[in-house]
Amino acid sequence: NAGVTQTPKFQVLKTGQSMTLQCAQDMNHNSMYWYRQDPGMGLRLIYYSASEGTTDKGEVPNGYNVSRLNKREFSLRLESAAPSQTSVYFCASSEVLATALTGELFFGEGSRLTVL
Amino acid sequence: TQLLEQSPQFLSIQEGENLTVYCNSSSVFSSLQWYRQEPGEGPVLLVTVVTGGEVKKLKRLTFQFGDARKDSSLHITAAQTGDTGLYLCLGVHRQLTFGSGTQLTVLP
Repeated sequence: NAGVTQTPKFQVLKTGQSMTLQCAQDMNHNSMYWYRQDPGMGLRLIYYSASEGTTDKGEVPNGYNVSRLNKREFSLRLESAAPSQTSVYFCASSEVLATALTGELFFGEGSRLTVL
Repeated sequence: TQLLEQSPQFLSIQEGENLTVYCNSSSVFSSLQWYRQEPGEGPVLLVTVVTGGEVKKLKRLTFQFGDARKDSSLHITAAQTGDTGLYLCLGVHRQLTFGSGTQLTVLP
């Protein structure tokens, strides 16, 4: 059972370079999310997609863009990477928008990004 | 903006000891979830609590939701090395708010 798959798992960028993190889920979930995790700061929501065709900003959207390509795939793009974007990025999905009472989030294994 | 404070941030104990992790907020949540994250992996859901005062047990783990639905605790009895990991609480109410996490290390 693949669940939520993220690629790449590791990436090193130079300041100003661009890249896209890919995420795919095979659970037929409606909602997908991108989080970043930094030491001592838990998980912070970057963008989310409540359903196919919709995307919304989360807590820390600046410097990022997203695309909900279809129901399965949700990508995160860094147009001009900055050292402050060095982090571990997690994609997650849920059957319905997780703000519904008991929605469970299923996470990928993470993508570790370093911006030099 | 809803804030969820977790304490302690770090906890290192010997196998067999008991411990409690706290998650506190000034905001009311519709529900609260606890996740555990192991190195190199994403968080995995342990439990969801919905009702104020609710207590749920998962083997040696006991979760409690505060009466006012502003706080929660996770108590582990007789900790084992396999309990080592990062424990995260997630408050749910119109938005999702993660706590900063508690890094638990259980030493043999």
